[in-house]
Amino acid sequence: EAGVAQSPRYKIIEKRQSVAFWCNPISGHATLYWYQQILGQGPKLLIQFQNNGVVDDSQLPKDRFSAERLKGVDSTLKIQPAKLEDSAVYLCASSLTGEAFFGQGTRLTVV
Amino acid sequence: QQQVKQSPQSLIVQKGGISIINCAYENTAFDYFPWYQQFPGKGPALLIAIRPDVSEKKEGRFTISFNKSAKQFSLHIMDSQPGDSATYFCAASGPGGYNKLIFGAGTRLAVHP
Repeated sequence: EAGVAQSPRYKIIEKRQSVAFWCNPISGHATLYWYQQILGQGPKLLIQFQNNGVVDDSQLPKDRFSAERLKGVDSTLKIQPAKLEDSAVYLCASSLTGEAFFGQGTRLTVV
Repeated sequence: QQQVKQSPQSLIVQKGGISIINCAYENTAFDYFPWYQQFPGKGPALLIAIRPDVSEKKEGRFTISFNKSAKQFSLHIMDSQPGDSATYFCAASGPGGYNKLIFGAGTRLAVHP
């Protein structure tokens, strides 16, 4: 079974630029999560999708972050404009019955 | 009420010893308590998980102990090996939140040969 795929693995951008991350979940998993993991901290949920719909985006900074999940499969997370404090690893995870499987993440550095 | 508090922040254990990591939660609606292992440059990987209807779950060298009344749970790694050196996260989720996982801050474990 293929795991959760994320790209790119690394991204360096200047502040105020925009960036997008892509996630392909495990086939058949209805639930998709985006987490932000700042160095030395536990992952923090940004947004959770159930199929196409958003079920939790309470901690998503909506003035700069956006996410979509087209056709209930792949998802993209966008940051525009980026701030220095957005430097983190962005993890995508998917779930079928509650057990979440994580991708390797995208390490974002904002300079 | 949504927090999961994890301790210690870091842990050094000798090879063959027992590693113990503790977590506490407040929300009594939580009903799923997984532990994740994360190596540098990798995403978290599920290690073992427990639900509140049992007080202990063992898988190989890894054991979760769960104390519902104290709202605490812990991970025990028996016969710790250098390959166990990683960061461990406890987490919790509950009904009504579509299984949203709330993570602890993590414990960096180093097992010395």
